[in-house]
Amino acid sequence: RKEVEQDPGPFNVPEGATVAFNCTYSNSASQSFFWYRQDCRKEPKLLMSVYSSGNEDGRFTAQLNRASQYISLLIRDSKLSDSATYLCVVNLTDSWGKLQFGAGTQVVVTP
Amino acid sequence: DARVTQTPRHKVTEMGQEVTMRCQPILGHNTVFWYRQTMMQGLELLAYFRNRAPLDDSGMPKDRFSAEMPDATLATLKIQPSEPRDSAVYFCASGLGSGGPYNEQFFGPGTRLTVL
Repeated sequence: RKEVEQDPGPFNVPEGATVAFNCTYSNSASQSFFWYRQDCRKEPKLLMSVYSSGNEDGRFTAQLNRASQYISLLIRDSKLSDSATYLCVVNLTDSWGKLQFGAGTQVVVTP
Repeated sequence: DARVTQTPRHKVTEMGQEVTMRCQPILGHNTVFWYRQTMMQGLELLAYFRNRAPLDDSGMPKDRFSAEMPDATLATLKIQPSEPRDSAVYFCASGLGSGGPYNEQFFGPGTRLTVL
């Protein structure tokens, strides 16, 4: 079983709609959580960190459920530019920044 | 705009040849990571360094891969001999490990390696 599991998608979303997806992690002692975004043939870039109380960054909302060991990402008012692969990332107990990446969820926003 | 740089961006080589990939982390960052990305496996951590010291290279095939940081501005990843299954995109990332759990990693553009 992988440490971090994601639905690969693709999630096909009409422009302006809302899309949400989850990822699950296996290590209950995981310390911190992130969503990274990766465009086709580009490097991953940090989208947002995920805090215990949940947090928003513009149209993006991230939630953490420690009891069920999953995190979620919700994108409101989807833009064409939101089309990308979203990587769920977990920092294991090591505080030196060793991250475990999920395989990614592909989102395709259509006009 | 500080960025991680990687060279070469693309490399095509034949099986058995040595491949060297280079990375220049963002100035001042003390943690450097090497990842490999394939369609099948996704992003895998190969090795990482803190203050130039190797902390973990358990993700790396030891018989053919080696990673070093000759100085704070250069990290290298070598494959010798290369095999077709090494074909992948190799990313270098750097970060400023503050000791807390929320440390952003900044990725370079990657080296796209094809071994024939």
